[in-house]
Amino acid sequence: QQPVQSPQAVILREGEDAVINCSSSKALYSVHWYRQKHGEAPVFLMILLKGGEQKGHDKISASFNEKKQQSSLYLTASQLSYSGTYFCGTEIGGSEKLVFGKGTKLTVNP
Amino acid sequence: DAGVTQSPTHLIKTRGQHVTLRCSPISGHKSVSWYQQVLGQGPQFIFQYYEKEERGRGNFPDRFSARQFPNYSSELNVNALLLGDSALYLCASSLDSGWETQYFGPGTRLLVL
Repeated sequence: QQPVQSPQAVILREGEDAVINCSSSKALYSVHWYRQKHGEAPVFLMILLKGGEQKGHDKISASFNEKKQQSSLYLTASQLSYSGTYFCGTEIGGSEKLVFGKGTKLTVNP
Repeated sequence: DAGVTQSPTHLIKTRGQHVTLRCSPISGHKSVSWYQQVLGQGPQFIFQYYEKEERGRGNFPDRFSARQFPNYSSELNVNALLLGDSALYLCASSLDSGWETQYFGPGTRLLVL
């Protein structure tokens, strides 16, 4: 049930764009995105709900394809502060639990 | 406003011992969830509590238990510790019982020797 994230790692230069993908083999009710910096707690970025409602950060966008059970996180014009590990968490309908992927490590260099 | 607080920050135990981890949610939040995060992995869901009732449980053995108190704070208990229980234990709070925005605490780092 663990969602699969890709890529596992990505290195960017400041100002470049990145896309992080999250896919599940189960029908999803919602997808949650978090960023975790080394030694810190995960920080909420975005929730995407079944039916299209999106709540979250106005500097980061995301999509949720319910039919394909996939979500993508779009980071545009990356900044040094975007560096960290990005996790998607998936809520499978009726499961009453949130399952996180293994993470995508993003490094933004000057 | 204070964020989610957890205690202790670090803990060292030996195999077979018991441990209690504590979490205080953000004021006004009624739901607390517990996660285990092993180095290099995403958080793994252990429990969710809402209004003192268990709302969800992950795939963890019965050695793991939790409870939520009337003031919405929570404890996670782990009995008969194994080396594999060494991890960062995260607590997250949210307003209600659904999977709304969760705010994570700094975590308790447990080392089992």
